Amino acid sequence: DIVLTQAPLSVSVTPGESASISCRSSKSLLSSKGITSLYWYLQRPGKSPQLLIYQMSNLASGVPDRFSSSGSETDFTLKISKVETEDVGVYYCGHRLEYPRTFGGGTKLELK
Amino acid sequence: VQLVESGGGLVQPGKSLKLSCSASGFTFSSYGMHWIRQAPGKGLDWVAYISSSSGTVYADAVKGRFTISRDNAKNTLYLQLNSLKSEDTAIYYCARSVTGMDYWGQGVMVTVSS
Repeated sequence: DIVLTQAPLSVSVTPGESASISCRSSKSLLSSKGITSLYWYLQRPGKSPQLLIYQMSNLASGVPDRFSSSGSETDFTLKISKVETEDVGVYYCGHRLEYPRTFGGGTKLELK
Repeated sequence: VQLVESGGGLVQPGKSLKLSCSASGFTFSSYGMHWIRQAPGKGLDWVAYISSSSGTVYADAVKGRFTISRDNAKNTLYLQLNSLKSEDTAIYYCARSVTGMDYWGQGVMVTVSS
């Protein structure tokens, strides 16, 4: 199974500042079709997860461009610029390269 | 797009439960669907997938005990949970599969306890 390791476990950010979250994969997430199969989700407190980023760097519908993602075949970074109150929650990376689908352990973003 | 889960509750170890996920706002029959669960205070744990043509895949932890199915006429996804264990206690979410899991339901709680 693909293991996704996120860091840090939690991050505290002043509103208006930036935050970065790392996700490392135990296996290359580059598919045979040339797509990097890395996804980012946000779970706000008490809510269901929502898709933020698909195929490593593409914003999902309705996601503000304060969110961006980049990486290689195994190392990925989610960046949130100008953090707002609504960005509070737990961020998960996930893949869809193969089964089983797996997720990182999550990174909790809090406001200072 | 709306996904609404139902059927959760408190059940004894070894017993069964059937979850439903009612879909609306899109052509349900054209999409693969997932079940994902989240134990209290824990992260996301993928459970099962069913394709638009009803091919299925399961996590090892539930293989042989859980069955995912769909009724396209009723726009409904199901998860039959048999031989339940305490470690199956979680919120169960259904999610649509496109480029990633792009829509999720609100989740339904399953508690396995005597």
